[in-house]
Amino acid sequence: DTAVSQTPKYLVTQMGNDKSIKCEQNLGHDTMYWYKQDSKKFLKIMFSYNNKELIINETVPNRFSPKSPDKAHLNLHINSLELGDSAVYFCASSLRHGSSTDTQYFGPGTRLTVL
Amino acid sequence: QKEVEQNSGPLSVPEGAIASLNCTYSDRGSQSFFWYRQYSGKSPELIMFIYSNGDKEDGRFTAQLNKASQYVSLLIRDSQPSDSATYLCAVRVYAGNNRKLIWGLGTSLAVNP
Repeated sequence: DTAVSQTPKYLVTQMGNDKSIKCEQNLGHDTMYWYKQDSKKFLKIMFSYNNKELIINETVPNRFSPKSPDKAHLNLHINSLELGDSAVYFCASSLRHGSSTDTQYFGPGTRLTVL
Repeated sequence: QKEVEQNSGPLSVPEGAIASLNCTYSDRGSQSFFWYRQYSGKSPELIMFIYSNGDKEDGRFTAQLNKASQYVSLLIRDSQPSDSATYLCAVRVYAGNNRKLIWGLGTSLAVNP
């Protein structure tokens, strides 16, 4: 059973295109996250949703728009893709973000390459 | 700017030795500390977390926390070649009314047979 799943696994596209990445978790968790891991392997949070409500919105270009239709799903839409958007995007989920020991579980990642 | 720092390595140890991975953090208000392992091309997976000063053991892994020194470490006993990976330290900090993880860049560990 896949706990946190993402689609697609790989995404290769041209500059200027619009693309979406989907994430689903079957753990019954309340909180979901989007992370970006760049070529230097630095993992940085982009957004976090708790029960469909946006709770963390880091300094991310507004070309990135997350959407959470329900607490088991968190999608990421990216408009007007740029070369610098090339990275691995990870979705994660956790039981309840308010607990200091709340643990995050990661999806397999989506490797986005912008040409 | 809240930061988490790790030595990028690579740290190379022989099979069966103890690997020691270190992490320092800047935010004194940090509450809890996590160690994740990431194999090349894979996603981070949790090894363990710690939130009280002292040691916490889980199998071959021991996490050590010293809040006064703002220092957390991970010891891997009887290192195996399968332990070769990047080890990420993450620190939970307050972000307004919420909390988020700040991540280090990771330490690359190579265990040589």
